[in-house]
Order: sequence, then structure tokens, then C-alpha cells
Amino acid sequence: QVTLRESGPALVKPTQTLTLTCTFSGFSLNNDGVCVSWIRQSPGKAPEWLARIDWDDDKYYTTSLETRLTISKDTSKNQVVLIMTNLDPVDTGTYYCARCNVEVSTAIGLDYWGQGILVTVSS
Amino acid sequence: DIVMTQSPDSLAVSLGERATINCKSSQSVLNRSNNKNFLAWYQQKPRQPPKLVIYWASTRQSGVPDRFSGSGSATDFTLTISSLQAEDVAVYYCQQYHSPPWTFGQGTKVEIK
Repeated sequence: QVTLRESGPALVKPTQTLTLTCTFSGFSLNNDGVCVSWIRQSPGKAPEWLARIDWDDDKYYTTSLETRLTISKDTSKNQVVLIMTNLDPVDTGTYYCARCNVEVSTAIGLDYWGQGILVTVSS
Repeated sequence: DIVMTQSPDSLAVSLGERATINCKSSQSVLNRSNNKNFLAWYQQKPRQPPKLVIYWASTRQSGVPDRFSGSGSATDFTLTISSLQAEDVAVYYCQQYHSPPWTFGQGTKVEIK
């Protein structure tokens, strides 16, 4: 059974750094093709894909935020961490992590999602 | 970046009637190595994460009712709900996973008329 759970602070002050952790089970980031993505969703808006880390440690970021984002993994703990710097109130939203796969034959999108964590940026 | 544009932004359909949502990508999302379109559709209900409904543009995810179908290729795609049920009320998003950064459409809200 695949599960993912996001954790981190619910409230962050402007200019601070946000660290979010995705703890997962039911799959391994050591397996070829497996990846984990972070996605955020501002209230009433569409999801916005933020970053992805692959089994081989390749990393990808959304263009508009790539200077502020860092994604990393700890396969021994089954965790993926997203760090976002210099937060602003517009970064308020629900942050999700989701499993993906980038092998051509098994790439089907984001098939399992966590329930998300609401992060509010406010002084 | 590949831009995904959905239409309409919202639609109201009577129970049992057909709902059709369109999605257009600014570049082809066809993967030449396996001739699959790397295009997914998600359903999102209030206070829930998006749920994968369709992948490879036309393949239903396990457990998804067969009233959901996807079609299209390259840059133009459609999600069809053949006979709308009350539980299908949601916002639907298309997403390309062909090239990072992966991108979503702006969403289409489906309601009951």
C-alpha cells in the first residue's frame, strides 16, 4: 500500500525559509524510474508543480521558482525534503508530495498523493 | 515551458448527460519512443488532493468508472464523462508529464445543471 505524508510548519513568516518533508511507504526511491514530486495549490487555484527528484538523484524545478527551491532525498528514511527560501505571502497554499515514475513504459503521471499540508505565510 | 490551456473554465451538465472538457498543450506531449501521449487528467473534490483519472491521454487509472474516457494526441486532448453522476462534481485538471517542468491546466469545474 502506497502512502505519502507531508510534514512541516503550518505558519511561516515572510522572508523565512520553509522546510517540508515527505515521508512515504509502499515504494522505494532506489528503484529505477521512481520519482517524487512536490506540488502546491494556492486557495482556489490550479495545482502548480514545483519540483521532482528521481531515483538516480536527478532534480528538476519549476522555472519561476528554481532559484528558491532545493529538493533532496534520504532513501534510508524514505523521505524527500523540499526547501523553499525567502517566503512571501503569495506562497501560502497547500503543499503536496506525490509519487511518479519516469521510465517510459511506466510513466503515468502522479499516481499517489499525500493529503497535503497547509502552509500560511504571514507576519 | 509547456503551457496547458483548458476549456471551458466551468460547465453545468444535467445528471446522465455528457460532459466534455478540452485541453490544449503549447507543444506536443507525444513521446516518440513509445508513441504514448504523456498527458494525465485529475479529478479534485473539495478538501482532497487531486486524484489520477486518466494517463497516457486515454488509459483509465485502476478503479475509475468506465464513463470516464480520454482522447486526443500531440497537442489536443479531451476528457469525456459519458453520463454525469452526482459524485463526478469536481474540478478537473489536465497535466503534461512529457517535459519538466511538468505543468497543469487551469482547471474546469463540473457542476450539475
